[in-house]
Amino acid sequence: DTGVSQDPRHKITKRGQNVTFRCDPISEHNRLYWYRQTLGQGPEFLTYFQNEAQLEKSRLLSDRFSAERPKGSFSTLEIQRTEQGDSAMYLCASSFGAGTEAFFGQGTRLTVV
Amino acid sequence: KNEVEQSPQNLTAQEGEFITINCSYSVGISALHWLQQHPGGGIVSLFMLSSGKKKHGRLIATINIQEKHSSLHITASHPRDSAVYICAVDRGDSNYQLIWGAGTKLIIKP
Repeated sequence: DTGVSQDPRHKITKRGQNVTFRCDPISEHNRLYWYRQTLGQGPEFLTYFQNEAQLEKSRLLSDRFSAERPKGSFSTLEIQRTEQGDSAMYLCASSFGAGTEAFFGQGTRLTVV
Repeated sequence: KNEVEQSPQNLTAQEGEFITINCSYSVGISALHWLQQHPGGGIVSLFMLSSGKKKHGRLIATINIQEKHSSLHITASHPRDSAVYICAVDRGDSNYQLIWGAGTKLIIKP
C-alpha cells in the first residue's frame, strides 16, 4: 500500500495524558498536512509542512499541540495534557506541492475520557 | 453565508439511480476538490478540478468557473456509494487551507 498511512487508527486516553500520532505520507510528496475533524463538522486545518519545515500553524493549534517532521518524511502530532474537547478525528494528507492533489490517510480517532 | 455551499445536505436514492450533488462557492479559486468520506472517517480524494469535466469509472465531476459551480454525478448508483461527499475549494494561497463544504450524506438503498 503506497497511500498515506496513519497510526494508530483509534486511541482512547484519559484526560491529562499525552498522546502521539504518526503519519507516513506518500514517499515522493514533500507537503504534509494535519487536519482535525469533530463530529458533524468539516475538517479544520491545523498545520502543514514543506519537507521538514513547518510553514503554517492554525490558531486551533494551542501550545499543547506540537507537530514535527524531522527528516521530511513521516510526521508526528503530539497532544499534551489532553482535554475532552480534543476528542476528534485527526487527519493527515500529503501532496507534491501547492495546488496539487492531496491524498488523505484514514485518520486517527481520538477519544478522551 | 458560507463560502462553499453544497446541496442537498442529505440524499437517499434507490440502487441504480443517477445521483447529482451540487457545490457553489463565492470566492476565487485555483482548484475544487471532491472528496468522499466513509463512516469510518477516512477521506478519499475523488477529483481535483480547475476547469471542465473529469470522469473516473461511474463518477463524473464538472465545474463552471464563471458560474462558480460544480457538480458530482454518480451513474448506476450502488449501496457501496453510500458516504458523505465533500466539496472543498483551494483559493490558491501558498498554503493548503481548503474551504470545506458541509458535505452531502448519500444513502443508496438496495
